[in-house]
Amino acid sequence: EAGVTQFPSHSVIEKGQTVTLRCDPISGHDNLYWYRRVMGKEIKFLLHFVKESKQDESGMPNNRFLAERTGGTYSTLKVQPAELEDSGVYFCASSLHPNTEAFFGQGTRLTVV
Amino acid sequence: GQQLNQSPQSMFIQEGEDVSMNCTSSSIFNTWLWYKQDPGEGPVLLIALYKAGELTSNGRLTAQFGITRKDSFLNISASIPSDVGIYFCAGQITTSGTYKYIFGTGTRLKVLA
Repeated sequence: EAGVTQFPSHSVIEKGQTVTLRCDPISGHDNLYWYRRVMGKEIKFLLHFVKESKQDESGMPNNRFLAERTGGTYSTLKVQPAELEDSGVYFCASSLHPNTEAFFGQGTRLTVV
Repeated sequence: GQQLNQSPQSMFIQEGEDVSMNCTSSSIFNTWLWYKQDPGEGPVLLIALYKAGELTSNGRLTAQFGITRKDSFLNISASIPSDVGIYFCAGQITTSGTYKYIFGTGTRLKVLA
């Protein structure tokens, strides 16, 4: 069974550009999460989808971040326009139920220069 | 907001030694997870704990969910070189029907052969 997959694995963009990250959760997992780890700091929650609905987006830093999960399958996280402080590793995770263990993808390392 | 204090931040140990790390908080958590992250990879789930007082083993790893639900520890027995990596604890909180994991800052483990 395929795990959580993320694309791309790395992205280097200039300040002001747009980047879209993609996450494919484990098949059948209705719950999908985005997390972010900024250099040297803890992994921080961004938002939680249940199917295609945003259950909790309290961790989204600001309105430059837009997450979607059309159809309740894969999800995208768009950053527009990107700022230097957006650099970090963006992780996606999925779980069968909201209160069960979450499985993580390998992450997308975003570098904004 | 909720915060997890994870210690130690880093440790160097000799191969064969036992390792212990823990996470504490002033908040109560419903679930504790322990993850390991290797360079360039996403966090990999090691152990999931769902009940206060629960003690669970996974090979050489043992973790416990504290009775107060505010802490958890992870022990690794007879460490080997491949145990090198960053270990994260994550506690799940539930608020108004939302679920999110709060992560510790990580324990960087280095094993000297």
